[in-house]
Amino acid sequence: SQTIHQWPATLVQPVGSPLSLECTVEGTSNPNLYWYRQAAGRGLQLLFYSVGIGQISSEVPQNLSASRPQDRQFILSSKKLLLSDSGFYLCAWSAIPGHREGKRTQYFGAGTRLSVL
Amino acid sequence: AQSVAQPEDQVNVAEGNPLTVKCTYSVSGNPYLFWYVQYPNRGLQFLLKYITGDNLVKGSYGFEAEFNKSQTSFHLKKPSALVSDSALYFCAVRDPDSSYKLIFGSGTRLLVRP
Repeated sequence: SQTIHQWPATLVQPVGSPLSLECTVEGTSNPNLYWYRQAAGRGLQLLFYSVGIGQISSEVPQNLSASRPQDRQFILSSKKLLLSDSGFYLCAWSAIPGHREGKRTQYFGAGTRLSVL
Repeated sequence: AQSVAQPEDQVNVAEGNPLTVKCTYSVSGNPYLFWYVQYPNRGLQFLLKYITGDNLVKGSYGFEAEFNKSQTSFHLKKPSALVSDSALYFCAVRDPDSSYKLIFGSGTRLLVRP
């Protein structure tokens, strides 16, 4: 079965420090991968998605970047954190269209609570 | 524009009573619809989805949802609520303009009173 791992679970970082959040998926190959941010425990904002190694699409201009160095690894980064980067970050995966698990169902990791102070 | 609406910020129900969490959508083409649940400080868990076929979809934890094409709705239901059902619920629809993305509603907080 497929599993998604996301770490760390919580992170407290000072303003101006770098960030690296990691997400890995097991039990599937060539997944679509997503990074979301959830502010104030409510709505989800899609930040990045990736359909393959090295292929990153950014949804909104921001202080963050994403990379996909391996098929099942997705990293969210920042060179200098801002206060406004605080939030709950969620990684998700879905099967590629046409795969038997397709139809766009996304499966989420447990999330990382980031506090920038 | 493609969109999903969850008109209620919060739904309150007594344990043992039936519950409904509302969702309406506006998308072109055939909708793929989803419900997710989120417990505090956790990721979203997939509950159920409608792709095609029977309008009544059954999912995890005793939840079901009814697809109504004429009303463009996909309400989540459960015959008998549990206190442990208290959580944040998200409706989502496939973005027809993308092969990969879902459009999420703003979420509805369900509070089940003992």
